[in-house]
Amino acid sequence: AQSVTQLGSHVSVSEGALVLLRCNYSSSVPPYLFWYVQYPNQGLQLLLKYTTGATLVKGINGFEAEFKKSETSFHLTKPSAHMSDAAEYFCAVRLNDMRFGAGTRLTVKP
Amino acid sequence: EPEVTQTPSHQVTQMGQEVILRCVPISNHLYFYWYRQILGQKVEFLVSFYNNEISEKSEIFDDQFSVERPDGSNFTLKIRSTKLEDSAMYFCASESAQGRIKGYEQYFGPGTRLTVT
Repeated sequence: AQSVTQLGSHVSVSEGALVLLRCNYSSSVPPYLFWYVQYPNQGLQLLLKYTTGATLVKGINGFEAEFKKSETSFHLTKPSAHMSDAAEYFCAVRLNDMRFGAGTRLTVKP
Repeated sequence: EPEVTQTPSHQVTQMGQEVILRCVPISNHLYFYWYRQILGQKVEFLVSFYNNEISEKSEIFDDQFSVERPDGSNFTLKIRSTKLEDSAMYFCASESAQGRIKGYEQYFGPGTRLTVT
């Protein structure tokens, strides 16, 4: 069975600083991996996904993530945080059904 | 751009009452899902639906829950006798056959907030 662990339920960064949200997965076979963002009172929006091929995946809003099989990780990064990035971020893994991590709330300080 | 829609956006019901949450998936999609998110917790898979039948369900999806695609556009989640712990945000998602091939991208609706009092 697949599962996802997001390290850090809350991350706070200053505007312009690097954003790093951590995600580790557990899966018996190479899974598909996703990052979703949830803004207050809204649904889930896909940021990026890894299926096969290039391990560095670029998504919307300047985010990217790198699939590292040896570390079973799929950390999300953005070089420079913007105030509008403040939201809840969910890592998800999929073999058959989608399994989400507990989420990381990103706060961006001015 | 096509999107998944859900109605109502917020439903308040009394314990023991039946509720039906409605979703209109993207029109050419074939796979449909329900998830829930209890306040402050992670998004949890409930059920997947394909070809007019349930393909997978989680342990949360007990006999109180049912899903239906009553016509060519709607996809519904029914809770027969709501409990306080059913209070959550319920998300519908859909996926195309091509999406499965390309990488299993599910498109989520904005959610229905269910409050059971």
